[in-house]
Formats: sequence, structure tokens, C-alpha cells
Amino acid sequence: QQPVQSPQAVILREGEDAVINCSSSKALYSVHWYRQKHGEAPVFLMILLKGGEQKGHEKISASFNEKKQQSSLYLTASQLSYSGTYFCGTESPGIPGGYQKVTFGTGTKLQVIP
Amino acid sequence: DTEVTQTPKHLVMGMTNKKSLKCEQHMGHRAMYWYKQKAKKPPELMFVYSYEKLSINESVPSRFSPECPNSSLLNLHLHALQPEDSALYLCASSLASADTQYFGPGTRLTVL
Repeated sequence: QQPVQSPQAVILREGEDAVINCSSSKALYSVHWYRQKHGEAPVFLMILLKGGEQKGHEKISASFNEKKQQSSLYLTASQLSYSGTYFCGTESPGIPGGYQKVTFGTGTKLQVIP
Repeated sequence: DTEVTQTPKHLVMGMTNKKSLKCEQHMGHRAMYWYKQKAKKPPELMFVYSYEKLSINESVPSRFSPECPNSSLLNLHLHALQPEDSALYLCASSLASADTQYFGPGTRLTVL
């Protein structure tokens, strides 16, 4: 099943903060976050591997709660360049030695306005 | 070189045509992927190659035929497509399965 993201869309003014959530019905091994600008390919932001791990990338950080099968992406002091659609990608434990695929979430469209 | 390249950027084809999409990476990645993306939707996985062998086929119709000639190249052969196959086709690669994926710019396909 596809991970569900919330909110579906959000509009921010420059400098405001936002949180994007990703929830899965399956146990998770890792969570990836990507941003896709209109007409462009998805670009990798970060990967989280352990329960409770938090990572940061400039003013964008994320957390991963393995027990709750959830991840959240935090955008602080948003900039115009943050606009785009954010996708989480989840990896679930599979057959040892078998291929592990990443399933993309439903997406969150973020628009930052001046 | 951290780039995945795809050709062509745009493709318009009729339902009786045969065409191919190409993808190339020189990062030494051993996993390569084809995704289909419709407007305002997430990428949908179509095929995965791992070490040049087809690992995953997500029940894709046979009118799409993937090929991995070597570790740097990935092709998608198209034949007798339907208008609903019109979409952005993305290629990606990663060091190994489920690692960070690097996406190419995509091919915008229109089937008339």
C-alpha cells in the first residue's frame, strides 16, 4: 500500500515553518524524502534508517518513528526555493537477500509565497 | 559525475509506432529503475534492474519492454502504446537496491 502524506497541500509565506507527515500501514526499514519541482525530476533530500533518528539539511530536517511507522519532514524559515511537491518513499523489510523497493507516498504540494 | 541522463526529452508517437527511451549513468550504480508519473501523482515503479538482471516487474503490460545492455545503460522499448500511456517516464539509479535514488530529467511521452 502507498504511504499517506498530510497535508495534501500547504501555502506558506516566506519565513514560515511547515511540517509534512508520512504514514505507512507497513513496518518500515527506512524513509526517503524527495522534492519535485514542477516539470522537473524528483531530487533526493535525505534518508532516515533508524527509529527515532532525526537528520537535518540546512533548514530542512526529518524524524522517523519506526514504532509508529511514521516520518515527518520539518521545513523552517521557508524560502521561495522550497516550493514543490514533497514525496516520502518508504522501504519495508522484505525477504533477506531479496530486492527491497521504495514506495512513494501520495505527495504534499508546498507553495511558498513572498 | 552524479548525473542520470535520459533521451529523448519529449516523444510523440502513434499507437502503431515502435520507439525506445534511453537512460544512462556513470556513477557505478548497480540498480536502475523505470518509473511512470502522471500529472500530480507520485512516481509509479515499473521495473527494477539489479546487477543488470530484471529484479522487479510491477505487472507492467507487455507493450513496455525493458532492456539493460550493460551496467550503465537502461532502455525502455515501446510498442503499440495506448493514449493512457502518455506520461512522464523517469529513470533512476542507486548504488544498491533501496539506496538513495538519483533521477534523470525524464521523457515526456505523448501517445496519439
